[in-house]
Amino acid sequence: RKEVEQDPGPFNVPEGATVAFNCTYSNSASQSFFWYRQDCRKEPKLLMSVYSSGNEDGRFTAQLNRASQYISLLIRDSKLSDSATYLCVVTRHLTGNQFYFGTGTSLTVIP
Amino acid sequence: GAVVSQHPSRVICKSGTSVKIECRSLDFQATTMFWYRQFPKKSLMLMATSNEGSKATYEQGVEKDKFLINHASLTLSTLTVTSAHPEDSSFYICSARDHGLAGELFFGEGSRLTVL
Repeated sequence: RKEVEQDPGPFNVPEGATVAFNCTYSNSASQSFFWYRQDCRKEPKLLMSVYSSGNEDGRFTAQLNRASQYISLLIRDSKLSDSATYLCVVTRHLTGNQFYFGTGTSLTVIP
Repeated sequence: GAVVSQHPSRVICKSGTSVKIECRSLDFQATTMFWYRQFPKKSLMLMATSNEGSKATYEQGVEKDKFLINHASLTLSTLTVTSAHPEDSSFYICSARDHGLAGELFFGEGSRLTVL
C-alpha cells in the first residue's frame, strides 16, 4: 500500500466554485502534514501546513483527521490562478527526513 | 524565508556526456538535501538523500554510479548524471529542510535535462 494516496483528478471547476481534495496516509505514526502546490514545469511550493486543529489561510482551509488518517484541502471561491497540481506531503517524524509525497491532484479552474 | 537555489535550470547535452546540477541552500545550513526526479504529469520520485560529509543514501532502483551525489558543505549538494542517455532526460529537483522553520521542505527551482 502506498504511503500517501491522492485522487489524481483532474478536477475542472468553474471560477468561484468550492473544491475539496482529500489525501489518505497509511502510517498512523505520521507526524507532520503539508499541502504543496506545483505549477506546470515549476518546483513545488508550500501552500500550507496542516495542524491537528485545522487551519485556514484566506480561501484555503486544511484539516487533519487522525482517526481516519486523511487530510483535506478546501479551496473556496476558486480563482483562475488556483489552477495547479496540489501535492499532499506527510512525514513520519517532526524532525526526521522521510517525506512522502502523494501523486498530486490536478486542478483547472475554468472561466 | 529559506531559499534553495538550483543551477542550471535547463541543460541540453549530447548522449555520453556528464552533467552536473548544483543545489544550494542560501540562508540556512542543510545537513541533508534530497534529490528527486519528475516525469511529465507524474509525482516527484525521491532518488537519493544527500548527507553532508558522508555518502548519499540511494533509493531502491537508483544507480549510484549513474547519479553521483556529493555534499561537500552545509550549503551545497551536487548531482552528476554520468554518461547521460536520452532516457535520463527529466526534471530533476532538489530540496532541503530548514529545521528552524517548523520543518518546511524547500525546493530548488528544478533542472530540466534533455539528452540528445
